[in-house]
Amino acid sequence: DADVTQTPRNRITKTGKRIMLECSQTKGHDRMYWYRQDPGLGLQLIYYSFDVKDINKGEISDGYSVSRQAQAKFSLSLESAIPNQTALYFCATSDSGTGGIEQFFGPGTRLTVL
Amino acid sequence: AQSVTQLGSHVSVSEGALVLLRCNYSSSVPPYLFWYVQYPNQGLQLLLKYTSAATLVKGINGFEAEFKKSETSFHLTKPSAHMSDAAEYFCAVSEYSGGGADGLTFGKGTHLIIQP
Repeated sequence: DADVTQTPRNRITKTGKRIMLECSQTKGHDRMYWYRQDPGLGLQLIYYSFDVKDINKGEISDGYSVSRQAQAKFSLSLESAIPNQTALYFCATSDSGTGGIEQFFGPGTRLTVL
Repeated sequence: AQSVTQLGSHVSVSEGALVLLRCNYSSSVPPYLFWYVQYPNQGLQLLLKYTSAATLVKGINGFEAEFKKSETSFHLTKPSAHMSDAAEYFCAVSEYSGGGADGLTFGKGTHLIIQP
């Protein structure tokens, strides 16, 4: 079984729609992250959370919001999707007990905004 | 602020030849450095990591990387390329700020092509 799961794996939506991407983990890690990947740009950090009550913006948080419903769940929302949010989105986790340095990635969600 | 530069968006080598993927970093504090691999339609898999221990780090699948502080580099090598090594490779840096490591900063990636 996968330690970090993301749903859905693929999603096509229309401009202006609200969409939520979900991430769950069974690794028992306290830290969770959302990244987006665009071709030729690598991965960029959107939001990260060190625990349920600690949410932090990353380098490209505009147009996105997050919710940490439980230690194991971290959701990313696009309130009003736009075409330039078409990308591959990754969730990741890390363990503060080991310094939170190494991150473990989910399989990704491919989002297309028409 | 930390940053990563990967030289060459595409690198092509022959099967059996040396693989060398270049990564230079910028960091205000001693960094933690990583190489990740992404196979087509898959997530990221950690190849190896540098966390201030030995400067020569060995990873999975025969890859290794050497941390050179004077050159601010962390180049990835493999003595003999295999067809299965064809993938996208990302170098990443993280800074430990006392409160814990924040998110990773990634390079733009290098697409490794293996010629038969």
